[in-house]
Amino acid sequence: AQKVTQTQTSISVVEKTTVTMDCVYETRDSSYFLFWYKQTASGEIVFLIRQDSYKKENATVGHYSLNFQKPKSSIGLIITATQIEDSAVYFCAMRDTEGADRLTFGKGTQLIIQP
Amino acid sequence: DPKIIQKPKYLVAVTGSEKILICEQYLGHNAMYWYRQSAKKPLEFMFSYSYQKLMDNQTASSRFQPQSSKKNHLDLQITALKPDDSATYFCASSQAQTGVQDTQYFGPGTRLLVL
Repeated sequence: AQKVTQTQTSISVVEKTTVTMDCVYETRDSSYFLFWYKQTASGEIVFLIRQDSYKKENATVGHYSLNFQKPKSSIGLIITATQIEDSAVYFCAMRDTEGADRLTFGKGTQLIIQP
Repeated sequence: DPKIIQKPKYLVAVTGSEKILICEQYLGHNAMYWYRQSAKKPLEFMFSYSYQKLMDNQTASSRFQPQSSKKNHLDLQITALKPDDSATYFCASSQAQTGVQDTQYFGPGTRLLVL
């Protein structure tokens, strides 16, 4: 069965610095897809970035990038030049062929950006 | 304009009653999903539909019934409501094709409180 684990419950950093959020996953499939979403204070869930398991290059979108370490089943999210607006709860999620279309989510990491 | 509409935004119901949660997407997607987020658990997958057909059901209770009257609609009927059903219900959609995984985008959610 698929499993996604985010061990960091909460992280607090100063604005304009870089933060990394950890995520490890479990799957028996050789092909799978990893996603990061953020949930804002209003409750909105926003897609940020994805990594397909067969791609060797780490994905980058804007000031979000991923640290994909396949041998360790790890997909870290890196946010550079953080802004106050980045304060949110960040969820890691996975889809694999065993799970059909469903996303399996981690419990989330609350990110607090301080001025 | 919002691309995924969920109605109502908030819903208060009494135990034993029945409610329908509405979801419409205007992204041109052919796959739609329901997820639940409660205080006790992370985001949990409930159902997936593709081309108006049920593809996956991870909800143990038959009290939860998805209904797809149109390609871009996936409503969720909940009968015999219980206090434990209190949660935020998110609808999502994606452009899914056989063998191709794609990113799911989420609606704003319906927050249900059962008294």
